[in-house]
Amino acid sequence: GAVVSQHPSRVICKSGTSVKIECRSLDFQATTMFWYRQFPKQSLMLMATSNEGSKATYEQGVEKDKFLINHASLTLSTLTVTSAHPEDSSFYICSAEGTGTGNTIYFGEGSWLTVV
Amino acid sequence: RKEVEQDPGPFNVPEGATVAFNCTYSNSASQSFFWYRQDCRKEPKLLMSVYSSGNEDGRFTAQLNRASQYISLLIRDSKLSDSATYLCVVGFSGGYNKLIFGAGTRLAVHP
Repeated sequence: GAVVSQHPSRVICKSGTSVKIECRSLDFQATTMFWYRQFPKQSLMLMATSNEGSKATYEQGVEKDKFLINHASLTLSTLTVTSAHPEDSSFYICSAEGTGTGNTIYFGEGSWLTVV
Repeated sequence: RKEVEQDPGPFNVPEGATVAFNCTYSNSASQSFFWYRQDCRKEPKLLMSVYSSGNEDGRFTAQLNRASQYISLLIRDSKLSDSATYLCVVGFSGGYNKLIFGAGTRLAVHP
């Protein structure tokens, strides 16, 4: 079946630095990718939706200048957390849908971000 | 009010037990409904879609009541491997599928 790969699976960064998380669709063209954040014991919260070649649509309360999303190709979307702070420490996960997937959405394995 | 509400649990049940989870959603425009399973520190995985007619997949039965905006999941003959968090999810379609997740109900099956 379709596979979505997310990298890195774990990252530790210093406060004030930026970190990039990649989400790749390995065997289908991902026309739409979604980025979620999940704090411990809480639900996955949709941060933004990105369509290939256009600007991401951010959910209310998500700072687009802090969480930069790029979806420049049909197989890759990136989330960059800029000027990271300890409160940004969370589980970030992407999902994708696209050509050949029907209505199925596939999730990446997630990325654990720890800001120290 | 949260868009998707679930009892967080935990539900602690012995092997072989039957356990039921409930979920309510607030947006009547919701178009698709799912149960996902999430293991600790992992990505969610689709367990089953939910239809108004009800659907069954082995030991798992899901029901949807659109009038009450209520979704349920029944697990029969619980196994140790069923221990996980079960996420109620509703979807909207408008060019792409947008999923809204509940916070999940934690299940712990013990010997």
